Amino acid sequence: QSVLTQPPSASGTPGQRVTISCSGSSSNIGSNSVNWYHQLPGMAPKLLIYGYFERPSGVPDRFSGSWSGTSASLAISGLQSEDEADYYCAAWDNGLNGVVFGGGTKLTVL
Amino acid sequence: QVQLQESGPGLVRPSQTLSLTCTVSGASIRSGGYYWSWIRQHPGKGLEWIGHIYYGGDTYYNPSLKSRVALSLDTSDNQISLKLSSVTAADTAVYFCARVGQLADFDYWGPGTLVTVSS
Repeated sequence: QSVLTQPPSASGTPGQRVTISCSGSSSNIGSNSVNWYHQLPGMAPKLLIYGYFERPSGVPDRFSGSWSGTSASLAISGLQSEDEADYYCAAWDNGLNGVVFGGGTKLTVL
Repeated sequence: QVQLQESGPGLVRPSQTLSLTCTVSGASIRSGGYYWSWIRQHPGKGLEWIGHIYYGGDTYYNPSLKSRVALSLDTSDNQISLKLSSVTAADTAVYFCARVGQLADFDYWGPGTLVTVSS
């Protein structure tokens, strides 16, 4: 059981916009930045969004993050086949004094 | 360009200690502002944070692993080490090392190394 809750799966067709939610509590998302990662099969995760909505250099602006209260979302617009991956949210948790991850969302591009 | 590379035995016997090393290039682990971390991923499962360590010796551990885990730094070789004691099959996972940014974001990752616990 993950501390942060994500839907196990999401899907969309090329060109569509999809969103992935991440729900937490006041001790994590409600107090600290949410970061998003995507992971291709057999590869290491890659930072996609940090600080709720900032993109590292090289990440396309098709990826965007948002946040409200104790929930955050990742939106992917103009969906492409190469976006098919697992997506994870994460945040520092003040109660656990450590990083907590969501269970991951497997995105399928139909 | 910061690069990280995990290394260590791919097979560990139950009840033994798992020992891994992460070699960092392109950055000094003594440079201020960054923690260094270990994360693991059980086969087919999600990500689990193991712990952080800072050059000054400051450490944070996952409470569920705290009694068995120890992180350390070797500044001469620019390496971060992980030791996990009394392992069981439940510790079989891919182990990643990563640099921790200012917002607890893992901005650089190693490719990961699979450790299997089996007799």
